[in-house]
Amino acid sequence: GNSVTQMEGPVTLSEEAFLTINCTYTATGYPSLFWYVQYPGEGLQLLLKATKADDKGSNKGFEATYRKETTSFHLEKGSVQVSDSAVYFCALSDLQGAQKLVFGQGTRLTINP
Amino acid sequence: NAGVTQTPKFQVLKTGQSMTLQCAQDMNHEYMSWYRQDPGMGLRLIHYSVGAGITDQGEVPNGYNVSRSTTEDFPLRLLSAAPSQTSVYFCASSQRFTGGGEQYFGPGTRLTVT
Repeated sequence: GNSVTQMEGPVTLSEEAFLTINCTYTATGYPSLFWYVQYPGEGLQLLLKATKADDKGSNKGFEATYRKETTSFHLEKGSVQVSDSAVYFCALSDLQGAQKLVFGQGTRLTINP
Repeated sequence: NAGVTQTPKFQVLKTGQSMTLQCAQDMNHEYMSWYRQDPGMGLRLIHYSVGAGITDQGEVPNGYNVSRSTTEDFPLRLLSAAPSQTSVYFCASSQRFTGGGEQYFGPGTRLTVT
């Protein structure tokens, strides 16, 4: 079945550091890929998405590129801020019409000033 | 728009009790789903619905029931609560798949079963 594997956390960085959170997936066909973010005490929000190979999703300084050849969708940001502290989830969407999301386990990110 | 709303925000149950978690959306989305979030396991799909009157099981459906009588509402029923159902529950909705596939999540219900 479909699955998503994310880099283990927690991750702690200093402000202005470069961030990479790794995500790889296993899926049949060509799923859509997503990064969701969960701020403390809140529900999940879509951060960015990519719907086909070589697409780059971007939002709020974060980027991720859909790499079919390596089945990866790594999240990157060039200079993180304290406000980026959150839990980040990589996910893929089942394309069989029901849009079932399959999530990775989540990576907790803490940014220190 | 209020988006996706969930009630209650917190709930404590004793083993064997039943309850219903409420979920409503005002975006006229066809697709709705319930997930549970457990530490180190991400979110796992419990049940989903592709429209009023249509529901199906997800990855972890045992111990839960759903129904979808209207487009707006998708309640989740715990039939006989067990400590293993202690979790945070999220409801989500989206338009029927058009190539984007992103879902909108409610704020969650934190359930503790003692």
